[in-house]
Amino acid sequence: GQNIDQPTEMTATEGAIVQINCTYQTSGFNGLFWYQQHAGEAPTFLSYNVLDGLEEKGRFSSFLSRSKGYSYLLLKELQMKDSASYLCAAAYSGAGSYQLTFGKGTKLSVIP
Amino acid sequence: DGGITQSPKYLFRKEGQNVTLSCEQNLNHDAMYWYRQDPGQGLRLIYYSQIVNDFQKGDIAEGYSVSREKKESFPLTVTSAQKNPTAFYLCASSTTGQGDWWGYTFGSGTRLTVV
Repeated sequence: GQNIDQPTEMTATEGAIVQINCTYQTSGFNGLFWYQQHAGEAPTFLSYNVLDGLEEKGRFSSFLSRSKGYSYLLLKELQMKDSASYLCAAAYSGAGSYQLTFGKGTKLSVIP
Repeated sequence: DGGITQSPKYLFRKEGQNVTLSCEQNLNHDAMYWYRQDPGQGLRLIYYSQIVNDFQKGDIAEGYSVSREKKESFPLTVTSAQKNPTAFYLCASSTTGQGDWWGYTFGSGTRLTVV
């Protein structure tokens, strides 16, 4: 299978900036998703990167380097409600379609 | 509004019983997926289906079964052969065309507890 690696846990202070890194295997790769998941809830879409570079969406930005098999999610001006798990998911080609492979998630704790 | 619905939200099962989790979508998506999530384990693929009347095993299919008789529906049965079924189960759907693909739409999940 395709391995997706991301840190298990991170802690950051309210108002600060945090970067969550993700590495993936590049063979058959087609795009990179980031999802936010609060405990006991479904994942919600944050970003989708297909091309290299940084995409900014409000307080959240996502970066992709296809050649390095690397992505990060940047969260600015952290708020307590940002405490959640963040899932990195890579899209791979197969059987005429794409499928997502998920990392184990990074549990972010925002402290006052 | 289009979406994907899982029911029930919470489910309790006695050991040795089979139980079926419902997943219905009205997004006209061809592909549907079932994932299991345990603490610290991320999402693990149980089964997926890309077309009606066809489905494939994922990474952890043992002890589970599915059917895809209608495009809109992809029920998951947790059988008594599943040794540790207590978990959070997520259903998802997506298009299959590579030209207009925006990942998965998730249901709200079913938390299954074996008592």
